[in-house]
Amino acid sequence: QLVLTQSPSASASLGASVKLTCTLSSGHSSYAIAWHQQQPEKGPRYLMKLNSDGSHNKGDGIPDRFSGSSSGAERYLTISSLQSEDEADYYCQTWDTGSWVFGGGTKLTVL
Amino acid sequence: EVQLLESGGGLAQPGGSLRLSCAASGFTFSTYAMSWVRQAPGKALEWVSGITSGGAAFYADSVKGRFTISRDNSKSTLYLQMSSLRADDTAVYYCGKETTTGDFITLDYWGQGTLVTVSS
Repeated sequence: QLVLTQSPSASASLGASVKLTCTLSSGHSSYAIAWHQQQPEKGPRYLMKLNSDGSHNKGDGIPDRFSGSSSGAERYLTISSLQSEDEADYYCQTWDTGSWVFGGGTKLTVL
Repeated sequence: EVQLLESGGGLAQPGGSLRLSCAASGFTFSTYAMSWVRQAPGKALEWVSGITSGGAAFYADSVKGRFTISRDNSKSTLYLQMSSLRADDTAVYYCGKETTTGDFITLDYWGQGTLVTVSS
C-alpha cells in the first residue's frame, strides 16, 4: 500500500534553514512526489514536483529559498532564510494509477 | 493569473444534498483535468474526486455512489453534487487544476475552499 509519512511538527528560527521529510512506503522508493504549502486559514499552494533523482520543478512564483532533494525513499523540502510567512503546514502528495495519496502534513513553526 | 473560486458550501442535514461550484479563470479550462480535495477540521488533505478534460470521472471510495463531479466548459465551472451527506463529510472543500508530467499528476493551482458542515 502506497503511504506517505511525515513528522507532525518541525521548528526553526527566523533566518535559519529547515529540512522537512516525506517518506514513501516500502516498494515505492522510485515515486515522485509533490510538496504543497498551506498557510493558516488559506488554501494550499503548490510548491514543486520532486523526482526520485532529486530533480524538481517548482510552481509559478516559488522563491529560490525553497528546494527539494531525494535519498532512497525519502523526499526532502528545504527552506532557507526562513521568514515568518513560511510558518505553515506542508503536505507531500503522490499519485499512482488513479490513487491520490497525501501525507499527514508537517506543521512548521518559525521561532 | 489562474484563479479558482469555490462556492456553495454551507450547513446541510445528514442525508441531505449540496452542490459546490468552482469558477475558473486565467487558463483554458476545457483542456485541463480538475479535482476536488477536502480537509476535515484539523485533519490532512484528502482527494475526493477528479474529472478529465474529456469528462471521465473518478471518485474516492469514501464518496463513490454519493457524490457526482461534472464540468461546464462553456462556463469554465467545475461542480460537485453531494448527496446522502454524512457527518464525516464535514470539511473544507477545495477545487484544484491538475497538471500531468509523464505518469505523475498533481494540482498546480488550488482555490481558497468552501466549508461544508453536515449536522442536524
